[in-house]
Amino acid sequence: DQQVKQNSPSLSVQEGRISILNCDYTNSMFDYFLWYKKYPAEGPTFLISISSIKDKNEDGRFTVFLNKSAKHLSLHIVPSQPGDSAVYFCAASIGAAGNKLTFGGGTRVLVKP
Amino acid sequence: DAGVIQSPRHEVTEMGQEVTLRCKPISGHNSLFWYRQTMMRGLELLIYFNNNVPIDDSGMPEDRFSAKMPNASFSTLKIQPSEPRDSAVYFCASRPNRAPYSNQPQHFGDGTRLSIL
Repeated sequence: DQQVKQNSPSLSVQEGRISILNCDYTNSMFDYFLWYKKYPAEGPTFLISISSIKDKNEDGRFTVFLNKSAKHLSLHIVPSQPGDSAVYFCAASIGAAGNKLTFGGGTRVLVKP
Repeated sequence: DAGVIQSPRHEVTEMGQEVTLRCKPISGHNSLFWYRQTMMRGLELLIYFNNNVPIDDSGMPEDRFSAKMPNASFSTLKIQPSEPRDSAVYFCASRPNRAPYSNQPQHFGDGTRLSIL
């Protein structure tokens, strides 16, 4: 029973264009969401988070959008850079203080120069 | 600042042997997490500790797995006896478990790649 799903296993985008990564969840108790980036042979690195009291959060080139009614969130990277090539995981928890993160399966992003 | 430190980075051992994975959390972080990443199941939480006390071990797959945190700067994950299906990448993460929680994400180590032959 996958409570957090990333339906696109991979994404290829041209440098300078927008990357849009999607994530769906089924557990309506989830109210805090995070995105992590992972390079090969390294651990996941935190990118950005959003609480369910918001529908958008921005940090530089990264913006996360949350649609609670659709149980859907997305990560926008603008503009995409070659260094953004990595695997991106979305994760969800019950409350920002919640220690139990449920991860999606990841989306591999390739940014072509 | 030193991040979460895991050792060894790679471990290859034969089925039936005992395996011990080690983790040093970031200083001042009082929550510690062990995850396992496999192709089939993705990244899943095995167990986590608050202030050195195990809080939730519902993700630990079997009694062959055990985890300890004897002090605030060290934790181990042990598999005894190991089986080929335990082959995976094991990550340790830590976070400061205090407000404001929204600014306190989990920080991951670089993982231990475990291969059981």
